[in-house]
Amino acid sequence: GQNIDQPTEMTATEGAIVQINCTYQTSGFNGLFWYQQHAGEAPTFLSYNVLDGLEEKGRFSSFLSRSKGYSYLLLKELQMKDSASYLCAVRDWDGGGSYIPTFGRGTSLIVHP
Amino acid sequence: ETGVTQSPTHLIKTRGQQVTLRCSSQSGHNTVSWYQQALGQGPQFIFQYYREEENGRGNFPPRFSGLQFPNYSSELNVNALELDDSALYLCASSLGTAGELFFGEGSRLTVL
Repeated sequence: GQNIDQPTEMTATEGAIVQINCTYQTSGFNGLFWYQQHAGEAPTFLSYNVLDGLEEKGRFSSFLSRSKGYSYLLLKELQMKDSASYLCAVRDWDGGGSYIPTFGRGTSLIVHP
Repeated sequence: ETGVTQSPTHLIKTRGQQVTLRCSSQSGHNTVSWYQQALGQGPQFIFQYYREEENGRGNFPPRFSGLQFPNYSSELNVNALELDDSALYLCASSLGTAGELFFGEGSRLTVL
């Protein structure tokens, strides 16, 4: 099964850098996703890691260590619009022919001036 | 390229009633998954459909059921509604079960 843990809430200052951590336990890891979700809206895709290392996409980067069951999302040059919930999701092989995605509770990021 | 669309956007039901939620997948996507998201929580996986067959199920009772049609659109049916079923129901489509998930805007269900 899966157990995904991420901080409930974080605050940061506009222009700063913030790192959101995610730890997980799986039986058949098949990739880790990060999604951004603004209040009242659908989650939108940010990044995908299946191999160890850093994936960079503009102001957002995501890191994965499969041996440690650990990932982080790094947001640089924070803007007010980055205030949102950030969801860590792990896709796990269920052994029966299916890849099952499991989401963490989300980290609510508050960016203040 | 059309995105994932869900209907209705909001609905109110009473305990014991039944509800059907609908989802049209993104063009070219053959896999649809459904999630329940309570306030302040992450999306909880309900089930997934791949090429019209259920292909994985989360920890939800049998009164949660679904269908996928030949055009890959999908329905989520919930029978005997309970108060705790009040939530945002999200549909996501992908190209295969290992593809990136694209979410619809969700259907917000309130059970009174």
